[in-house]
Amino acid sequence: AQSVAQPEDQVNVAEGNPLTVKCTYSVSGNPYLFWYVQYPNRGLQFLLKYITGDNLVKGSYGFEAEFNKSQTSFHLKKPSALVSDSALYFCAVRPLRNTGFQKLVFGTGTRLLVSP
Amino acid sequence: DGGITQSPKYLFRKEGQNVTLSCEQNLNHDAMYWYRQDPGQGLRLIYYSQIVNDFQKGDIAEGYSVSREKKESFPLTVTSAQKNPTAFYLCASSIRRDSNQPQHFGDGTRLSIL
Repeated sequence: AQSVAQPEDQVNVAEGNPLTVKCTYSVSGNPYLFWYVQYPNRGLQFLLKYITGDNLVKGSYGFEAEFNKSQTSFHLKKPSALVSDSALYFCAVRPLRNTGFQKLVFGTGTRLLVSP
Repeated sequence: DGGITQSPKYLFRKEGQNVTLSCEQNLNHDAMYWYRQDPGQGLRLIYYSQIVNDFQKGDIAEGYSVSREKKESFPLTVTSAQKNPTAFYLCASSIRRDSNQPQHFGDGTRLSIL
C-alpha cells in the first residue's frame, strides 16, 4: 500500500529566505505526485504535480518541487518566501496504474509559517 | 466560473440525528470524492464515485452514506451510527478516476456535535 511521510509538522522561515517542505513516499511502481496548499477554513488548492519527465517541476505562485526517485522524495521549494505563503501544505501520491481505482494518499500536512 | 460548491459551511448535529452535506460541481467531472480531515491526520477517503449511479466505499465509510443520481451532485449523509462525526469534510472531483489530473476541492463543511 502506498504512503506519504511529511516529517515536519511545522516549518518556520523568514520572509525572503528560501523554503523547503519535505515529502517522502512509498508506492509500488511509478508514482503520480502532487502538492496542495490549504488556507484556514478552505479547501485544498493544487500547486503542482509530477507525472513523468523532468525531475524539477514548476507550479503555481513560484513554487517548485524536485522528484528524486532513488530517495523516494518530492520536496517542495521556493527561492524566496512570502508572508502570504503561510498555510498548511499537503503532499499526495497515487500509483501509476492503468487498471482499477487508485486512490490518492495524503501526508499529514506541514504548516509553513513565514515571519515578516 | 467552474468549481465545487459545498454547503452548508458550518453544520451542527444533535444526538441520534442524520445530517446531509451537499456537494455540487459544474466542472463536468466524472469522478467525485468525499474526504474527512482531522487535525494531524491528513485527509481520509470516505466514499468515491467514478460515474453516475455508482459509488464505492473508501477507507472510513462506516457511519456514512452517499448517492450519485446526477453527475453534478454527490451528497454525503452522516448517520447517527457515526459516533465521532466532528471533523472538516471536503468534497473533490476529477476528470476521470484514473486521470493524472489533480483533484479539485470545495471549501468544506465543518460539522460539530451539539
